[in-house]
Amino acid sequence: QVQLVQSGPEVKRPGTSVKVSCKASGFTFSSSAMEWVRQTRGQRLEWIGWIVIGSGKTNYAQSFQERVTITWDTSTRTAYMDLRSLRAEDSAIYYCAADVDTAMDYWGRGTPVTVSS
Amino acid sequence: QSVLTQPPSVSGAPGQRVTISCTGSTSNIGAGYDVHWYRQLPGTAPKLLIYGNNERTSGVPDRFSGSRSGTSASLAISGLQAEDEADYYCQSYDTSLSPSYVFGTGTKVTVL
Repeated sequence: QVQLVQSGPEVKRPGTSVKVSCKASGFTFSSSAMEWVRQTRGQRLEWIGWIVIGSGKTNYAQSFQERVTITWDTSTRTAYMDLRSLRAEDSAIYYCAADVDTAMDYWGRGTPVTVSS
Repeated sequence: QSVLTQPPSVSGAPGQRVTISCTGSTSNIGAGYDVHWYRQLPGTAPKLLIYGNNERTSGVPDRFSGSRSGTSASLAISGLQAEDEADYYCQSYDTSLSPSYVFGTGTKVTVL
């Protein structure tokens, strides 16, 4: 079955970077995309970006364009989301979600990221 | 980033029917892009409930139905049950700025 296993909680200082991982299994990677979504304490879901696994092509939300990089490691079947220049407002739960058919079909459990001085 | 607007909360007694609206614009729902719905139980990740406007994912009872019209979409839950109490989010594709996905503001369903 599909599994998305995310890395553990992170605590970061403002201005630093965080890299969250998402190890995938159980679906056909070449025809899928991996999305990254975050959820702040206000509960709102915010799309960060995607990577088309087969081609490596990425697309980022405009609000994250300058600070985020999403990558895919074929050898380990792991997606990464690297967010730079962290600020307090970036404190949230970060989810990876596999876009296998027509939507975000499967979700990881989430990685809490806290940004605090 | 555009957002889709949902009511913050809806409630109903067991057995009743509730409807959650999802209002977008001509750059997302109104442009014909599919709407998907997710359910989130407390402390867990969102889970796909309805995809492609009105298709239920495997295991979702037919008490749940989705629809899309114009610049809006709706999720209806009939025969409301205690286990339906959760947060519900709509999601679509948007082309107002750079192509992107957008989520609704979320609706808390409470079973009275």
